[in-house]
Amino acid sequence: KAGVTQTPRYLIKTRGQQVTLSCSPISGHRSVSWYQQTPGQGLQFLFEYFSETQRNKGNFPGRFSGRQFSNSRSEMNVSTLELGDSALYLCASSLVGQGPTGELFFGEGSRLTVL
Amino acid sequence: DAKTTQPNSMESNEEEPVHLPCNHSTISGTDYIHWYRQLPSQGPEYVIHGLTSNVNNRMASLAIAEDRKSSTLILHRATLRDAAVYYCILPSYNTDKLIFGTGTRLQVFP
Repeated sequence: KAGVTQTPRYLIKTRGQQVTLSCSPISGHRSVSWYQQTPGQGLQFLFEYFSETQRNKGNFPGRFSGRQFSNSRSEMNVSTLELGDSALYLCASSLVGQGPTGELFFGEGSRLTVL
Repeated sequence: DAKTTQPNSMESNEEEPVHLPCNHSTISGTDYIHWYRQLPSQGPEYVIHGLTSNVNNRMASLAIAEDRKSSTLILHRATLRDAAVYYCILPSYNTDKLIFGTGTRLQVFP
Protein backbone atom coordinates (compact mmCIF):
# COMPACT_ATOMS: atom_id res chain seq x y z
CA LYS A 1 0.00 0.00 0.00
CA ALA A 2 1.07 3.60 -0.49
CA GLY A 3 3.23 5.14 2.20
CA VAL A 4 3.00 8.53 3.83
CA THR A 5 2.95 11.22 1.16
CA GLN A 6 4.18 14.73 1.78
CA THR A 7 3.85 17.67 -0.56
CA PRO A 8 5.60 19.69 -1.70
CA ARG A 9 8.95 17.94 -1.41
CA TYR A 10 10.96 21.12 -1.79
CA LEU A 11 10.07 24.77 -1.50
CA ILE A 12 11.76 28.11 -1.14
CA LYS A 13 10.18 31.04 0.66
CA THR A 14 11.32 34.43 1.85
CA ARG A 15 11.25 35.83 5.35
CA GLY A 16 7.83 37.01 6.44
CA GLN A 17 5.92 34.73 4.10
CA GLN A 18 3.81 31.82 5.22
CA VAL A 19 3.86 28.22 4.09
CA THR A 20 1.46 25.29 4.17
CA LEU A 21 2.70 21.71 4.02
CA SER A 22 0.50 18.72 3.37
CA CYS A 23 0.62 15.15 4.60
CA SER A 24 -1.45 12.18 3.45
CA PRO A 25 -1.14 9.29 5.91
CA ILE A 26 -1.22 5.63 5.06
CA SER A 27 -4.75 4.52 4.28
CA GLY A 28 -6.55 3.61 7.50
CA HIS A 29 -4.15 5.48 9.75
CA ARG A 30 -5.86 8.00 11.98
CA SER A 31 -2.96 9.52 13.83
CA VAL A 32 -0.62 12.05 12.21
CA SER A 33 2.34 13.74 13.83
CA TRP A 34 4.78 16.35 12.57
CA TYR A 35 8.49 16.78 13.23
CA GLN A 36 11.08 19.38 12.35
CA GLN A 37 14.64 18.33 11.57
CA THR A 38 17.53 20.79 11.50
CA PRO A 39 21.28 20.18 11.66
CA GLY A 40 21.53 22.06 14.93
CA GLN A 41 18.51 20.76 16.85
CA GLY A 42 17.99 17.37 15.26
CA LEU A 43 14.51 15.86 15.11
CA GLN A 44 11.97 17.72 17.21
CA PHE A 45 8.31 16.96 17.73
CA LEU A 46 5.90 19.65 16.56
CA PHE A 47 2.40 18.30 17.14
CA GLU A 48 0.17 15.28 16.87
CA TYR A 49 -3.38 14.91 15.60
CA PHE A 50 -5.83 12.10 16.12
CA SER A 51 -9.38 12.15 14.76
CA GLU A 52 -9.10 15.84 13.84
CA THR A 53 -8.05 16.83 17.37
CA GLN A 54 -4.63 18.04 18.41
CA ARG A 55 -3.56 15.61 21.08
CA ASN A 56 -0.06 16.80 21.82
CA LYS A 57 2.09 19.80 21.05
CA GLY A 58 5.81 20.37 21.14
CA ASN A 59 7.68 23.44 22.29
CA PHE A 60 7.33 25.63 19.21
CA PRO A 61 5.96 29.18 18.90
CA GLY A 62 2.39 29.87 17.87
CA ARG A 63 3.54 30.61 14.30
CA PHE A 64 3.51 26.85 13.84
CA SER A 65 0.04 25.41 13.54
CA GLY A 66 -1.64 22.40 12.08
CA ARG A 67 -4.90 20.70 11.46
CA GLN A 68 -6.29 17.35 10.48
CA PHE A 69 -9.21 16.71 8.18
CA SER A 70 -11.93 14.07 8.44
CA ASN A 71 -10.07 11.87 5.95
CA SER A 72 -7.02 11.99 8.27
CA ARG A 73 -4.98 14.13 5.89
CA SER A 74 -3.10 16.81 7.74
CA GLU A 75 -1.62 20.20 7.01
CA MET A 76 0.82 22.30 8.92
CA ASN A 77 1.27 26.01 8.51
CA VAL A 78 4.13 28.28 9.44
CA SER A 79 3.40 31.99 9.39
CA THR A 80 5.81 34.91 9.33
CA LEU A 81 8.71 32.73 8.27
CA GLU A 82 12.12 33.23 9.81
CA LEU A 83 15.50 32.09 8.52
CA GLY A 84 15.64 29.56 11.35
CA ASP A 85 12.55 27.82 10.04
CA SER A 86 14.61 26.36 7.23
CA ALA A 87 14.38 22.65 7.89
CA LEU A 88 13.13 19.29 6.80
CA TYR A 89 9.54 18.86 7.98
CA LEU A 90 8.55 15.25 8.47
CA CYS A 91 5.13 13.77 8.83
CA ALA A 92 4.43 10.41 10.41
CA SER A 93 1.30 8.32 10.70
CA SER A 94 0.13 5.40 12.77
CA LEU A 95 -3.03 3.32 13.02
CA VAL A 96 -4.54 4.74 16.19
CA GLY A 97 -1.80 6.69 17.91
CA GLN A 98 -0.85 3.59 19.75
CA GLY A 99 2.14 4.93 21.61
CA PRO A 100 4.85 2.48 22.51
CA THR A 101 3.37 -0.75 21.23
CA GLY A 102 3.33 0.10 17.53
CA GLU A 103 5.34 1.92 14.98
CA LEU A 104 5.30 5.24 13.20
CA PHE A 105 5.58 5.46 9.43
CA PHE A 106 7.39 8.54 8.22
CA GLY A 107 7.17 10.34 4.92
CA GLU A 108 10.22 11.59 3.03
CA GLY A 109 9.65 15.11 4.24
CA SER A 110 9.21 18.59 2.86
CA ARG A 111 12.44 20.58 2.69
CA LEU A 112 11.78 24.25 3.35
CA THR A 113 14.38 26.90 2.62
CA VAL A 114 13.75 30.41 3.90
CA LEU A 115 15.77 33.18 2.25
CA ASP B 1 10.14 10.54 28.75
CA ALA B 2 13.09 8.52 29.98
CA LYS B 3 16.42 9.60 28.51
CA THR B 4 18.63 7.42 26.31
CA THR B 5 22.37 7.67 25.67
CA GLN B 6 24.05 6.39 22.52
CA PRO B 7 27.55 6.71 21.06
CA ASN B 8 27.79 9.41 18.43
CA SER B 9 29.24 7.17 15.76
CA MET B 10 30.30 3.62 14.98
CA GLU B 11 32.00 1.94 12.07
CA SER B 12 31.69 -1.50 10.58
CA ASN B 13 32.84 -3.46 7.59
CA GLU B 14 30.37 -4.95 5.19
CA GLU B 15 29.02 -8.40 6.11
CA GLU B 16 30.24 -8.10 9.69
CA PRO B 17 27.86 -8.01 12.68
CA VAL B 18 27.19 -4.64 14.28
CA HIS B 19 26.19 -4.09 17.89
CA LEU B 20 24.70 -0.66 18.56
CA PRO B 21 24.40 0.06 22.29
CA CYS B 22 21.89 2.23 24.11
CA ASN B 23 21.79 3.14 27.79
CA HIS B 24 18.50 3.99 29.45
CA SER B 25 19.21 3.82 33.16
CA THR B 26 16.02 5.71 34.15
CA ILE B 27 13.69 3.41 32.24
CA SER B 28 10.46 2.55 33.99
CA GLY B 29 8.93 -0.89 34.18
CA THR B 30 6.39 -0.15 31.47
CA ASP B 31 8.65 1.66 28.99
CA TYR B 32 9.10 -0.02 25.66
CA ILE B 33 12.40 0.32 23.82
CA HIS B 34 12.12 1.35 20.19
CA TRP B 35 14.74 1.68 17.50
CA TYR B 36 14.38 3.77 14.39
CA ARG B 37 16.92 4.55 11.72
CA GLN B 38 17.23 7.33 9.22
CA LEU B 39 18.90 6.65 5.92
CA PRO B 40 20.41 9.61 4.04
CA SER B 41 17.80 11.90 2.52
CA GLN B 42 14.90 9.87 3.93
CA GLY B 43 12.53 10.04 6.85
CA PRO B 44 13.13 7.77 9.83
CA GLU B 45 11.98 4.18 9.59
CA TYR B 46 11.00 1.79 12.33
CA VAL B 47 13.45 -1.01 13.00
CA ILE B 48 12.31 -2.97 16.05
CA HIS B 49 10.91 -2.65 19.56
CA GLY B 50 10.73 -4.68 22.72
CA LEU B 51 9.82 -4.62 26.39
CA THR B 52 11.72 -7.30 28.29
CA SER B 53 12.55 -10.24 26.09
CA ASN B 54 14.97 -10.23 23.21
CA VAL B 55 13.25 -9.65 19.86
CA ASN B 56 14.07 -10.60 16.31
CA ASN B 57 12.67 -9.47 12.99
CA ARG B 58 13.81 -9.47 9.41
CA MET B 59 15.85 -6.31 9.87
CA ALA B 60 17.60 -6.79 13.19
CA SER B 61 17.64 -8.25 16.69
CA LEU B 62 17.14 -6.39 19.94
CA ALA B 63 18.92 -7.64 23.03
CA ILE B 64 17.61 -6.18 26.29
CA ALA B 65 19.63 -6.38 29.48
CA GLU B 66 18.05 -8.21 32.37
CA ASP B 67 17.78 -5.01 34.44
CA ARG B 68 16.50 -3.19 31.30
CA LYS B 69 18.91 -0.32 31.85
CA SER B 70 20.55 -0.94 28.49
CA SER B 71 19.82 -2.57 25.18
CA THR B 72 21.70 -3.46 22.01
CA LEU B 73 20.51 -3.37 18.43
CA ILE B 74 22.19 -6.11 16.45
CA LEU B 75 22.58 -6.07 12.70
CA HIS B 76 23.75 -9.57 11.92
CA ARG B 77 25.48 -8.80 8.63
CA ALA B 78 25.93 -5.13 7.85
CA THR B 79 25.42 -3.99 4.30
CA LEU B 80 26.20 -0.64 2.71
CA ARG B 81 22.47 0.10 2.85
CA ASP B 82 22.59 -0.08 6.64
CA ALA B 83 24.64 3.12 6.80
CA ALA B 84 22.29 5.43 8.67
CA VAL B 85 21.66 7.23 11.94
CA TYR B 86 20.15 4.84 14.48
CA TYR B 87 17.93 6.19 17.24
CA CYS B 88 17.05 4.44 20.48
CA ILE B 89 13.77 5.83 21.86
CA LEU B 90 11.48 5.15 24.81
CA PRO B 91 8.04 6.31 23.63
CA SER B 92 5.34 7.51 25.98
CA TYR B 93 1.91 5.95 26.19
CA ASN B 94 -1.15 7.29 24.39
CA THR B 95 0.88 9.46 22.07
CA ASP B 96 2.95 9.20 18.94
CA LYS B 97 5.33 11.85 20.26
CA LEU B 98 8.87 10.53 19.95
CA ILE B 99 11.86 12.18 21.59
CA PHE B 100 14.80 11.70 19.23
CA GLY B 101 18.27 12.11 20.70
CA THR B 102 21.36 12.54 18.56
CA GLY B 103 21.49 8.86 17.66
CA THR B 104 24.43 6.80 16.45
CA ARG B 105 25.75 7.41 12.97
CA LEU B 106 26.78 4.03 11.54
CA GLN B 107 29.31 3.95 8.73
CA VAL B 108 29.69 0.73 6.77
CA PHE B 109 32.80 0.19 4.70
CA PRO B 110 33.06 -2.20 1.73
